[in-house]
Amino acid sequence: AAGVIQSPRHLIKEKRETATLKCYPIPRHDTVYWYQQGPGQDPQFLISFYEKMQSDKGSIPDRFSAQQFSDYHSELNMSSLELGDSALYFCASSIGYGTEISGNTIYFGEGSWLTVV
Amino acid sequence: QQPVQSPQAVILREGEDAVINCSSSKALYSVHWYRQKHGEAPVFLMILLKGGEQKGHEKISASFNEKKQQSSLYLTASQLSYSGTYFCGTEFPSTGNQFYFGTGTSLTVIP
Repeated sequence: AAGVIQSPRHLIKEKRETATLKCYPIPRHDTVYWYQQGPGQDPQFLISFYEKMQSDKGSIPDRFSAQQFSDYHSELNMSSLELGDSALYFCASSIGYGTEISGNTIYFGEGSWLTVV
Repeated sequence: QQPVQSPQAVILREGEDAVINCSSSKALYSVHWYRQKHGEAPVFLMILLKGGEQKGHEKISASFNEKKQQSSLYLTASQLSYSGTYFCGTEFPSTGNQFYFGTGTSLTVIP
């Protein structure tokens, strides 16, 4: 079965550079979530999209932006990278909006490792 | 608004049992449970939708007390493969898609 695809799997950037992570949700999933997980930390919710519109915002820095495209894939853009941005970034997808997601499993991609040096 | 889990860490010998608790200060619509191995994506275990619901998955089961805004994950006769970090996750009643993970519980099973 198709899963959530993330690319690239690993990325090394220098401070103040820009990075873009891509996420391809499971076919027919209309909701995408982005999470940041630092070393030894729990995943922190960044932002979510439903039907190509931003649906919720968590602890996403202003230096980060994201969007969901017409084919439902999503991109997370990170600018002016800082050392503290080094983390594993997960994308997840599910079906539904708001309380509709109750009962719907959220599937995770394998993550993109970002290292800022 | 992040759910709080307890204990933070637990070490078990193979065959022992463990309980992981997840508590929220806000009302919960549902509770998801995930297990994550180091450097890997969280793997879905189960969802509990209704207060009082209990579910089982092999030797892993969970309960959801909606009134107390709590859920518990029960691991019985633990196996080495159960090692990992367990997260509860929940969505809060709102108009958006907010799914937050709990603070996590590190479980280590030793021979």
